Amino acid sequence: QVQLQQSGPGLVKPSQTLSLTCAISGDSVSSNSAAWNWIRRSPSRGLEWLGKTFFRSKWYNDYAVAVKSRITINPDTSKNQFSLQLNSVTPEDTAVYYCAREGSDRYYYYMDVWGKGTTVTVSS
Amino acid sequence: EIVMTQSPATLSVSPGDRATLSCRASQSVASNLAWYQQKPGQAPRLLIYGASTRATGIPARFSGSGSGTEFTVTISSLQSEDSAVYYCQQYNNWPTFGQGTKVEIK
Repeated sequence: QVQLQQSGPGLVKPSQTLSLTCAISGDSVSSNSAAWNWIRRSPSRGLEWLGKTFFRSKWYNDYAVAVKSRITINPDTSKNQFSLQLNSVTPEDTAVYYCAREGSDRYYYYMDVWGKGTTVTVSS
Repeated sequence: EIVMTQSPATLSVSPGDRATLSCRASQSVASNLAWYQQKPGQAPRLLIYGASTRATGIPARFSGSGSGTEFTVTISSLQSEDSAVYYCQQYNNWPTFGQGTKVEIK
């Protein structure tokens, strides 16, 4: 059974960097058939996909246009986890952040395993 | 960006009745459409993918249909545990989600 365990601070000051980690059990961050995503939910924007990292003979990243200049998602193969860094945060980045596995059945993609979520508040 | 619009915002249904939730895409997403259920304090749970395929462990009372720009998910006989917010999500290119439909038990 695949599980994702999130960790990271719940409070970040404006202009600083939001950092979260998602530890994977039951699967590998280096899987050739999965991708590892970060998604957030806020009252103003609902569910918003932020980006993903995945391995297909080499590492790739895809990022949402809205955060592309501020986001980094990195795999850590030694710890079988992946991380989110979001720079220069503002109160607009206050949200519940989720990590999620993207699977597929050859034809369709879907987020089939989710972390429990981390509430992050951006405030001084 | 493909915009997903869900309706209604809130649906109040009696136990045992049918609930039908709708999702519209701003452009065709073929069948690259998933549905999720989210209860308070929990992460979203995958219900349907490929517009009509139930995910592992999802009860048969949940069914999905549609293609292109119009999609529905139907709960054939609503149970009390189905009270939740339901989201659609397209995956034709970068994932985008609808704003959700809240299903309440009448």
